[in-house]
Amino acid sequence: DAGVIQSPRHEVTEMGQEVTLRCKPISGHNSLFWYRQTMMRGLELLIYFNNNVPIDDSGMPEDRFSAKMPNASFSTLKIQPSEPRDSAVYFCASRGDEGVLTAQYFGPGTRLLVL
Amino acid sequence: GNSVTQMEGPVTLSEEAFLTINCTYTATGYPSLFWYVQYPGEGLQLLLKATKADDKGSNKGFEATYRKETTSFHLEKGSVQVSDSAVYFCALSGGTSYGKLTFGQGTILTVHP
Repeated sequence: DAGVIQSPRHEVTEMGQEVTLRCKPISGHNSLFWYRQTMMRGLELLIYFNNNVPIDDSGMPEDRFSAKMPNASFSTLKIQPSEPRDSAVYFCASRGDEGVLTAQYFGPGTRLLVL
Repeated sequence: GNSVTQMEGPVTLSEEAFLTINCTYTATGYPSLFWYVQYPGEGLQLLLKATKADDKGSNKGFEATYRKETTSFHLEKGSVQVSDSAVYFCALSGGTSYGKLTFGQGTILTVHP
């Protein structure tokens, strides 16, 4: 079975540019999570969706970040405008509908470098 | 709120040594507990899980037992291999962080031949 799919795997851009990260969750999973990982701050939850609806976006750092989930099989995380401090690895994870106590499954991540 | 505390790393072992990575947690109610592993350049992979007290999760020779009396979920392996070198994260779901995973800070394990 295909796992969580993320694209692109690597992104290098210049400060001020728009960046769009994409995620396809595991088929049949109804919760989707976006995380950011850096050496300084570790893993941070940015936002999570349940049945395509944003449930908690308290981790979104500022208005430059936005996330959408137009349908059950696709989500985007957009940064506009990007800044060097946004350089990190961004992970998407999904979880099935067995309940909130079940495991999340992570994608391979997008490595973002903002110059 | 919820919190997870892992032993400080990095941990360096020789091949075939015994591994223990300590994990303790704070949460209300009955959370589920997880260990995730992250190999260099990859995403987090679920290693094992336990959903209720006294459950033992196991996978690939790794084990961890959900101890509610000590609020612990220590990871163990009897004989590590070089290929086990990775970062290990303890995590919980439930309690006050409904729907979200709370992660420990991660423990870097390096195994030498």
